[in-house]
Amino acid sequence: AQSVTQPDIHITVSEGASLELRCNYSYGATPYLFWYVQSPGQGLQLLLKYFSGDTLVQGIKGFEAEFKRSQSSFNLRKPSVHWSDAAEYFCAVGAYTGNQFYFGTGTSLTVIP
Amino acid sequence: EADIYQTPRYLVIGTGKKITLECSQTMGHDKMYWYQQDPGMELHLIHYSYGVNSTEKGDLSSESTVSRIRTEHFPLTLESARPSHTSQYLCASSASHEGNTIYFGEGSWLTVV
Repeated sequence: AQSVTQPDIHITVSEGASLELRCNYSYGATPYLFWYVQSPGQGLQLLLKYFSGDTLVQGIKGFEAEFKRSQSSFNLRKPSVHWSDAAEYFCAVGAYTGNQFYFGTGTSLTVIP
Repeated sequence: EADIYQTPRYLVIGTGKKITLECSQTMGHDKMYWYQQDPGMELHLIHYSYGVNSTEKGDLSSESTVSRIRTEHFPLTLESARPSHTSQYLCASSASHEGNTIYFGEGSWLTVV
């Protein structure tokens, strides 16, 4: 069955520290992977996506993610977190064609001064 | 930024009232979606459409209905609102020829009193 798992419900980091949010997926076909960010009271904004090619993808706001097929993972990273990065982060997997799209349950990020 | 618009952003209505949440996109996307999300919780797909005159129910049962008479417009209607309908409703769209990357609107916050 297709699914996305975000093992960390909530993460707290200090401003300026590095960040890694975990995402594992289970998908029968070639996965297309996404990270979204949601600020309080807002919709979801696309941070980055992976379709093919280089397994390290760069996104907006200084985020990057690495696709590791052997580990079925697509972890999101940022070298130095800013207070404005505090938000909810969702990982998702879908197909380039077809209609399946699955979201994880989200990871809430708190940034402390 | 994605060109997908939702109105109203915030709505407080009484029980039993009929409401329509509007959603429009100017990107020419063929697919559109409605998700329901309680604060700090995961996303639940309640309706989707693959094109004009095509609508389907999503994974989460909902008493709302949708229509897709025009490509750019995908309104959601509740005939008789109840307090249990209090939630955030997120409209989204994607294009089959762009790898089905989903783009979200800002969301509509509905409170039924």
